[in-house]
Amino acid sequence: DAEITQSPRHKITETGRQVTLACHQTWNHNNMFWYRQDLGHGLRLIHYSYGVQDTNKGEVSDGYSVSRSNTEDLPLTLESAASSQTSVYFCASSVNSPTGELFFGEGSRLTVL
Amino acid sequence: AQSVTQPDIHITVSEGASLELRCNYSYGATPYLFWYVQSPGQGLQLLLKYFSGDTLVQGIKGFEAEFKRSQSSFNLRKPSVHWSDAAEYFCAVGGGGTDKLIFGTGTRLQVFP
Repeated sequence: DAEITQSPRHKITETGRQVTLACHQTWNHNNMFWYRQDLGHGLRLIHYSYGVQDTNKGEVSDGYSVSRSNTEDLPLTLESAASSQTSVYFCASSVNSPTGELFFGEGSRLTVL
Repeated sequence: AQSVTQPDIHITVSEGASLELRCNYSYGATPYLFWYVQSPGQGLQLLLKYFSGDTLVQGIKGFEAEFKRSQSSFNLRKPSVHWSDAAEYFCAVGGGGTDKLIFGTGTRLQVFP
């Protein structure tokens, strides 16, 4: 069955370190998204991609970057982790349609000490 | 500005009781509206979606939602709640040729036996 997987599921890191969260989907979807989930804020869009070599900033992109070298993967990198980036991160994908359903991964819980 | 408001942060109901979760949106164009559910430790799963046509839409797990343009609302309902419905529920709005959904802050549902 097609799926979307995130790794690691849990990570603890220190302030200032670079961290990469992986996202891999086998749906063959063009669109991929990274959200962060925080109490009181719901889900906020960090970065998104509509295809290979395409990346775009979301509403909370500062301190994060993504790259899209193939259809299946959209890794999220925290250049220099900060305590404010402690959060649960969700990757999602969808077909290229405004009515397309988002398929979510199970999330990656990141703690920055 | 585009936004989604879920006024109830936390709702508690007894098993077998009816449920209504509120969602109000602000969107300049014709909205595409979604309800997602998140079980503890899991990603989000689509419950139902509205694009056009009949304003009462049916979803999975016995949920339904009604689009009311005059009230800018898309409330989620279930006639009889089951203990397994305890989860967090997110309303989202999108459209206009983009898949960038805007999520509400969520409503946590607790079900007492």
